[in-house]
Amino acid sequence: KQEVTQIPAALSVPEGENLVLNCSFTDSAIYNLQWFRQDPGKGLTSLLLIQSSQREQTSGRLNASLDKSSGRSTLYIAASQPGDSATYLCAACTNQAGTALIFGKGTTLSVSS
Amino acid sequence: DGGITQSPKYLFRKEGQNVTLSCEQNLNHDAMYWYRQDPGQGLRLIYYSQIVNDFQKGDIAEGYSVSREKKESFPLTVTSAQKNPTAFYLCASSLQRQASSYNSPLHFGNGTRLTVT
Repeated sequence: KQEVTQIPAALSVPEGENLVLNCSFTDSAIYNLQWFRQDPGKGLTSLLLIQSSQREQTSGRLNASLDKSSGRSTLYIAASQPGDSATYLCAACTNQAGTALIFGKGTTLSVSS
Repeated sequence: DGGITQSPKYLFRKEGQNVTLSCEQNLNHDAMYWYRQDPGQGLRLIYYSQIVNDFQKGDIAEGYSVSREKKESFPLTVTSAQKNPTAFYLCASSLQRQASSYNSPLHFGNGTRLTVT
């Protein structure tokens, strides 16, 4: 059974720092890996989706990588800002229909000014 | 602006009452989902629907029911049989392209926080 783990559970950094969030999964048979952002009391916002055949995806200051063989994905945030403070969740898609996403518990990021 | 609307934002009910959470989308997405989020846990799938008049159980469907009479709407009923209903409920949708539906990202609503006492 697929399990998705995100470590650390919480991270605090000063503004301007580059940082990496980690996501690991136990079964490499995934169709894609998705990263989401969740602000307190709100829904999730899709940040990046990496297809199983891809190694990375970029959007602005965000870069997500995928290494299926090692069961790992990372989300790199460049030049962090206080507005980046949120919980970041990753999810592994385990079926072709796209209906089976296994979520990690998230990493809560706090960026101080 | 297209999006997903969940209402109400906060809901309070007495134990033993059924309650229905609303989810409406105007993204013209085929698939809709209901997730439950509890503190310190990942999102867990309750039900999903890929087409009107059809839906499937997720990992934690017991004590919940859904309907999909219209493409835009996917209401969730939390029944009195649900043993621990207090949680944050999230509705989501995605486009289902035939060839690569798994590569359509999920779009989420802003959630309904249900408290049952």
